Amino acid sequence: DGGITQSPKYLFRKEGQNVTLSCEQNLNHDAMYWYRQDPGQGLRLIYYSQIVNDFQKGDIAEGYSVSREKKESFPLTVTSAQKNPTAFYLCASSIFRGEDGYTFGSGTRLTVV
Amino acid sequence: GENVGLHLPTLSVQEGDNSIINCAYSNSASDYFIWYKQESGKGPQFIIDIRSNMDKRQGQRVTVLLNKTVKHLSLQIAATQPGDSAVYFCAENAPPRAAGNKLTFGGGTRVLVKP
Repeated sequence: DGGITQSPKYLFRKEGQNVTLSCEQNLNHDAMYWYRQDPGQGLRLIYYSQIVNDFQKGDIAEGYSVSREKKESFPLTVTSAQKNPTAFYLCASSIFRGEDGYTFGSGTRLTVV
Repeated sequence: GENVGLHLPTLSVQEGDNSIINCAYSNSASDYFIWYKQESGKGPQFIIDIRSNMDKRQGQRVTVLLNKTVKHLSLQIAATQPGDSAVYFCAENAPPRAAGNKLTFGGGTRVLVKP
């Protein structure tokens, strides 16, 4: 079955550490997205990539970095510059020029300890 | 912009009653709309979609209504069940598609089903 996989499901980070969240899809989707979700709130766009080797900042990109070296993969690094990284992170993918919606992963919950 | 500090509105519904979740959208050029359901600790899942050439679409126990005149979208859930307890998001998409598939998400509504 095609889908989008995020790992790990839970991640703990010490102050000052960088951590990388994995997102892999086998849907042959062109575009991939990272969202942050805080408790009781909506989705905020961090970064998105519409084609390989290209990506754009979303609304809250500061303290985060991404890469898109392969169509299937869009890892997100939460750097030490992100002062409040504790949140639920969602990855999604879609067709580039389609009218279809996004397919979401199951999320990674990041906690700073 | 960011909605830091804004918390989700909550709709409390008695089990067996119908639920109506509303969403106002801002872009009059939007021509494709989606409702997602997000259960606690999980990613959003597609429920139903509608294109702007329609004003109503029905699925299994769900109906989406679109009023383009007032830029309003609603999701109706018939005979609400405990498993319907979740956060519901609307999303809109506007042309040009050549610029990529960019959804704009609403803030979400939490539905709590009371037994």
